[in-house]
Amino acid sequence: DTGVSQNPRHKITKRGQNVTFRCDPISEHNRLYWYRQTLGQGPEFLTYFQNEAQLEKSRLLSDRFSAERPKGSFSTLEIQRTEQGDSAMYLCASSLWDRNTGELFFGEGSRLTVL
Amino acid sequence: DQQVKQNSPSLSVQEGRISILNCDYTNSMFDYFLWYKKYPAEGPTFLISISSIKDKNEDGRFTVFLNKSAKHLSLHIVPSQPGDSAVYFCAGISGNTPLVFGKGTRLSVIA
Repeated sequence: DTGVSQNPRHKITKRGQNVTFRCDPISEHNRLYWYRQTLGQGPEFLTYFQNEAQLEKSRLLSDRFSAERPKGSFSTLEIQRTEQGDSAMYLCASSLWDRNTGELFFGEGSRLTVL
Repeated sequence: DQQVKQNSPSLSVQEGRISILNCDYTNSMFDYFLWYKKYPAEGPTFLISISSIKDKNEDGRFTVFLNKSAKHLSLHIVPSQPGDSAVYFCAGISGNTPLVFGKGTRLSVIA
């Protein structure tokens, strides 16, 4: 399978714990995006990378959130000191950016439940 | 500031009939508009797009219409099939900015 891969698919944690999600994009894609989706909402942009450079971060991305893409391949999204409001589906997407047409390839998401 | 609005949370259509999903936007700088489809427990998948300089784009059973003066676009699915039952997201993009999504419309196609 050469699509976008995310793991873990599900994570249940207690409030205050740290969690980390991993995303493996389509191999030739140079752009990688993180979105968050809560019930009844569309995906909300968090951050994106072009190769290893983090080019933009949403104001939704509080100081407790950090994302990395160290070698321009896979990416990790870490949430420190989780809160119940962090419960959501975290979606990763990738694209080959030659012109910004918006066509992204999404993974199946990592669902976070904070108790 | 909701740049992309889908005001109908849900829509039910009989199999074989036309499904029309609507979307309004506020950002006149959008270069492209896209529709994504999402099944439960899966990520969104790209369905069809339209450039802001066009007013119609067709791909098989799916057609997207853009009315720039009204800042409105719509997705037509004809004929609708039970496998089309999913949540449909409208999205817009401008320049180098990330994709902005609406809240989605859940389409149910009844056999």
